[in-house]
Amino acid sequence: AQTVTQSQPEMSVQEAETVTLSCTYDTSESDYYLFWYKQPPSRQMILVIRQEAYKQQNATENRFSVNFQKAAKSFSLKISDSQLGDAAMYFCARSNMNRDDKIIFGKGTRLHILP
Amino acid sequence: GEEVAQTPKHLVRGEGQKAKLYCAPIKGHSYVFWYQQVLKNEFKFLISFQNENVFDETGMPKERFSAKCLPNSPCSLEIQATKLEDSAVYFCASSLWPKGAFFGQGTRLTVV
Repeated sequence: AQTVTQSQPEMSVQEAETVTLSCTYDTSESDYYLFWYKQPPSRQMILVIRQEAYKQQNATENRFSVNFQKAAKSFSLKISDSQLGDAAMYFCARSNMNRDDKIIFGKGTRLHILP
Repeated sequence: GEEVAQTPKHLVRGEGQKAKLYCAPIKGHSYVFWYQQVLKNEFKFLISFQNENVFDETGMPKERFSAKCLPNSPCSLEIQATKLEDSAVYFCASSLWPKGAFFGQGTRLTVV
């Protein structure tokens, strides 16, 4: 099965500190997309960051960056200068490339921001 | 529109009743996906469409669930004879590859 695993059900970080959320995945494809989605209490799914597997450079979006290790099939999310508004569920996800394939989600990590 | 619009936001049905959920994808997006998020936050893929054609229906429960995307109409997901276990948030997403999928705000279905 092509799965996405998030081993941390919950994490906490002090406001203004840095936190890293872990994600590993399993796939037989050589090219694919990886995503991190944020789901706040409003339930809205917000795309935080996207990585193409063929790109070696790690994606960054402002305070959010990833550490993509293709050989290890690892895709962690780093949030710098954590803010209270970052508190949410974070889902790691994967989909195939070259066609609009379904997204496979991990089970999520609930992130708490401590003031 | 520039966002995926799902209606209604909340839906309550008695066990055995029918439920119908709607999704208007972002204009120009040719793919539509339906996901079910249960109370444990896990996402289950249900079905996807390429325009009005079913693209992948491997996640759809065959007996009671059906879905359509017809031209010039919102897409719909219908559940016949709802069961308690159908209680979940149902998300619709649309995409225009390679930009990634954009999600609606979901419909919370409660079966009582």
